[in-house]
Amino acid sequence: EAQVTQNPRYLITVTGKKLTVTCSQNMNHEYMSWYRQDPGLGLRQIYYSMNVEVTDKGDVPEGYKVSRKEKRNFPLILESPSPNQTSLYFCASSLRPGATYEQYFGPGTRLTVT
Amino acid sequence: QKEVEQNSGPLSVPEGAIASLNCTYSDRGSQSFFWYRQYSGKSPELIMSIYSNGDKEDGRFTAQLNKASQYVSLLIRDSQPSDSATYLCAVTVDRGSTLGRLYFGRGTQLTVWP
Repeated sequence: EAQVTQNPRYLITVTGKKLTVTCSQNMNHEYMSWYRQDPGLGLRQIYYSMNVEVTDKGDVPEGYKVSRKEKRNFPLILESPSPNQTSLYFCASSLRPGATYEQYFGPGTRLTVT
Repeated sequence: QKEVEQNSGPLSVPEGAIASLNCTYSDRGSQSFFWYRQYSGKSPELIMSIYSNGDKEDGRFTAQLNKASQYVSLLIRDSQPSDSATYLCAVTVDRGSTLGRLYFGRGTQLTVWP
């Protein structure tokens, strides 16, 4: 089954404790992206990747890191999480970067930082 | 910053009625337009994409695009309680660093009552 998976689905952590949220897709997609969703603010892009070893900042990259060492994986790293990073996070992918390629979303990771 | 505006709702319609959701966008270079449906706590699910002016129909859903007026709409005919969700409008602009990036509106919450 073609899908985007994320782990963990739920995470409660404390301020400053490094964490990684994994994202994997099995569709051989080139383009992958991370979003966060907050009430009243909608979905905002954190980072994206056009292909292996090609990443760039989205609209809200502060406090996050990413890497793309393999085509299928695009982990999101929070080196020192803070309470304002409490949010619902989504990973998404599309076959290619570009307007005509539809993006498909993973199931989401609900992160709480205390 | 690409602006994507949606009527905030909530929108409430009776079962069997037509639900009309609207979206406007600021960047005339926007090329692709998407409607996602999101149930509470779930990931966005792509339900319609439209790339050229006019109407596009898929079952009970019709997307309408008017690039001159910079708006895109979604009509849901014969609305069902299962259509109750938040509907997200998204656009892409393929220009340099924005290649493949999705810009989302904040969503319109739809409730269909029996």
